[in-house]
Amino acid sequence: SQQGEEDPQALSIQEGENATMNCSYKTSINNLQWYRQNSGRGLVHLILIRSNEREKHSGRLRVTLDTSKKSSSLLITASRAADTASYFCATDNGGANNLFFGTGTRLTVIP
Amino acid sequence: GAGVSQSPSNKVTEKGKDVELRCDPISGHTALYWYRQRLGQGLEFLIYFQGNSAPDKSGLPSDRFSAERTGESVSTLTIQRTQQEDSAVYLCASSPVVSEKLFFGSGTQLSVL
Repeated sequence: SQQGEEDPQALSIQEGENATMNCSYKTSINNLQWYRQNSGRGLVHLILIRSNEREKHSGRLRVTLDTSKKSSSLLITASRAADTASYFCATDNGGANNLFFGTGTRLTVIP
Repeated sequence: GAGVSQSPSNKVTEKGKDVELRCDPISGHTALYWYRQRLGQGLEFLIYFQGNSAPDKSGLPSDRFSAERTGESVSTLTIQRTQQEDSAVYLCASSPVVSEKLFFGSGTQLSVL
């Protein structure tokens, strides 16, 4: 399966702390994306990193990509209670036109 | 509207009945995806449409599942002879560029009794 795996499955932190989530995948990719999901419904795109990039920032988000290890991490700095959600990584399949999602990390930020 | 619209938002049906789920993508988005998400789990790819190309149906779990899309417009996902294990949220997404930045609808919560 091309599906990625997020680690940890669940993470609970205090407001203001940083949250780090990891994603591992299995085959070559063109890009890797991170999405956020609130309340089990629609996902929202957060950030896309291409296979030739190693790090990308967007506001309080920092994403890294290590293609040699087939892994990515998402760092949320100075977390807020509103960051509580599930976070998913998604990968293409190098040449395939669909996206495969991981199993997600459930983040809880305690006020 | 400006976003991806899915209907109905909730559907309760009896085992053995057929259901049809609808997705209105963002205008101009050539790619359209259907995913299934069981409670507390990740997204399971079902089917992908790209313009007028043949769809990628590799994720459909059985021949009870089918989907159609006319050009770059509305898509319908049909589940025939529903089973209890079909209960899930069915998510539709569209994107302007293949495999990049998907825009998701709010999903259809399907409950099969």
